[in-house]
Amino acid sequence: EAGVAQSPRYKIIEKRQSVAFWCNPISGHATLYWYQQILGQGPKLLIQFQNNGVVDDSQLPKDRFSAERLKGVDSTLKIQPAKLEDSAVYLCASSHATRGKYEQYFGPGTRLTVT
Amino acid sequence: RKEVEQDPGPFNVPEGATVAFNCTYSNSASQSFFWYRQDCRKEPKLLMSVYSSGNEDGRFTAQLNRASQYISLLIRDSKLSDSATYLCVVKWGKIIFGKGTRLHILP
Repeated sequence: EAGVAQSPRYKIIEKRQSVAFWCNPISGHATLYWYQQILGQGPKLLIQFQNNGVVDDSQLPKDRFSAERLKGVDSTLKIQPAKLEDSAVYLCASSHATRGKYEQYFGPGTRLTVT
Repeated sequence: RKEVEQDPGPFNVPEGATVAFNCTYSNSASQSFFWYRQDCRKEPKLLMSVYSSGNEDGRFTAQLNRASQYISLLIRDSKLSDSATYLCVVKWGKIIFGKGTRLHILP
């Protein structure tokens, strides 16, 4: 079974530029998550989708971050404009999220450096 | 009190020893609990789910104490390959990761 795919793996941009990340979850997984992980910290949930609907985006900085999952499969996360503090690894995860089962499987992440 | 709290370590443990670390959580309505391991510059990988009073998988045992609001992870007969950061995850509607506990197994 193929895992969670993410691209690009690395991205370097200047502050105030925009950037987009792509994620393709494990086939059949209805729930998709985007996390931000800053060096030395645990992942912080940015947004959670159930199919193509948003379940939780309470920690998404909506003035600059946006995410979509239009067909309930793959997803994109965008930052516009980027700030220095956005330098982090952006992780995508997916899960079946059937009743009582919320194990998440992570992609390799996109390492973003904002200069 | 932080929502999910872990001792950051590092725990430096000789190979073959037993090591245990805890994770405390603030919300008594928490429903699901997990341990993930994360190697340096890699993504987190699911180690164990903790759904009821605890469970065991080989050398790893996870326990849940709802009264005191913590979960624990015990690693027996530790191997060099166990060196990693161990992340605690708690779900109560929203999903919160701890900052992780770093474990170094010494030869």
